[in-house]
Amino acid sequence: GAVVSQHPSRVICKSGTSVKIECRSLDFQATTMFWYRQFPKQSLMLMATSNEGSKATYEQGVEKDKFLINHASLTLSTLTVTSAHPEDSSFYICSARDSSTDTQYFGPGTRLTVL
Amino acid sequence: AQSVTQLDSQVPVFEEAPVELRCNYSSSVSVYLFWYVQYPNQGLQLLLKYLSGSTLVKGINGFEAEFNKSQTSFHLRKPSVHISDTAEYFCAVSDRSGSEKLVFGKGTKLTVNP
Repeated sequence: GAVVSQHPSRVICKSGTSVKIECRSLDFQATTMFWYRQFPKQSLMLMATSNEGSKATYEQGVEKDKFLINHASLTLSTLTVTSAHPEDSSFYICSARDSSTDTQYFGPGTRLTVL
Repeated sequence: AQSVTQLDSQVPVFEEAPVELRCNYSSSVSVYLFWYVQYPNQGLQLLLKYLSGSTLVKGINGFEAEFNKSQTSFHLRKPSVHISDTAEYFCAVSDRSGSEKLVFGKGTKLTVNP
């Protein structure tokens, strides 16, 4: 099946710094990628929809200046958490849509801890 | 807007027993329905999906789900579970607008005991 990777799998950073998370579709091209946030013992909440070559569409309540999304190619989308604070600590998961199968494939997630 | 309710946060069962994980949804429009499984520290894997046609959908690992429009349900079943089925299971819906946005339930932790 299709594979989506995320890097890094885990990151610990100091408050006030920025962190970049990469999401790659390894064996298919994805014009659309999605970024989710998952709090402990809770469900995934969609943060934004990332479209290749255009600006991301953010869900209500998500700060676009804090969570910068870039989808520069058909296989790569990045999420940058700017000026991170402890409340940004969470599990961030991306997914990529394979248009040939009309299915979203999920990455393994990135655990962000802000000290 | 859509919403998904997974009635059971935790379901413990013994190995080789049958299991049903419940999912109900709310939507003012027609939807697509999905079940995903998440193993510890991993991303989500698609188990099965309902787009149209037969209301009984078969997925991977011996799972199946039945779409019931009148009850707005999409319960997941397996006749005989294995210890390796221990994981978190998420029900999700998306509208048919083509946006591909998924709305997830809160998940059900399935624990299979020997």
